[in-house]
Amino acid sequence: EVQLVESGGGLVKPGGSLRLSCATSGFSFSDAWMSWVRQAPGKGLEWVGRIKSQIYYWTKEYAAPVKGRFIISRDDSRSILYLQMNNLKIDDTGIYYCSAGTGRTDLDHWGQGSLVTVSS
Amino acid sequence: DIVMTQSPELLAVSLGERATINCKSSQSILYTSNNKSYLAWYQQKAGQPPKLLIYWASTRESGVPDRFSGSVSGTDFTLTISSLQAADVAVYYCQQYYVTPLTFGGGTKVEIK
Repeated sequence: EVQLVESGGGLVKPGGSLRLSCATSGFSFSDAWMSWVRQAPGKGLEWVGRIKSQIYYWTKEYAAPVKGRFIISRDDSRSILYLQMNNLKIDDTGIYYCSAGTGRTDLDHWGQGSLVTVSS
Repeated sequence: DIVMTQSPELLAVSLGERATINCKSSQSILYTSNNKSYLAWYQQKAGQPPKLLIYWASTRESGVPDRFSGSVSGTDFTLTISSLQAADVAVYYCQQYYVTPLTFGGGTKVEIK
């Protein structure tokens, strides 16, 4: 069974930092392209960024609103995905989902999400 | 960026009736080398993460009931629920994975009339 479990969310002040983790199991993590997708309260889905697999040199791509502030990384030995979020803004508030692309789309499997609240 | 335009925003359908959701991409998302449209449909029930329903515009994900189907005509995509069940109440999103940034439609909320 595929499982993705996010952790690390919480309340942070504007300008602060937070690191999310996504522990995975049940699929070949090292072969998967991994993404983060967020959802502001009551709003739609917004892709944050992704990291490809090793054979694609772990290439990282980011959405414009987070580029230069967020960093995606992965630990293939432990099957964990990370999202380092710096200089957080109020508009970054929302549920952050990690998602695995395992051969059909980039977003085949999803975690339950981790809530990030940016507020003073 | 490729803009995905979904309609309607809200769809109220009687149990057992057909529900049709539309999605239009601002440019082609057809990869000519494999003749596949890089379009997926997701279902998100209240308080849950999205769930993949359809990929390559018309291929049903394993375990998804066959009352869900997808179709494509150029840059116009359709998700059809042939006979709406109570369990289908959710928000549905289309999404293109042809190019980054990956982009989603605004969502269609399906409810029971």
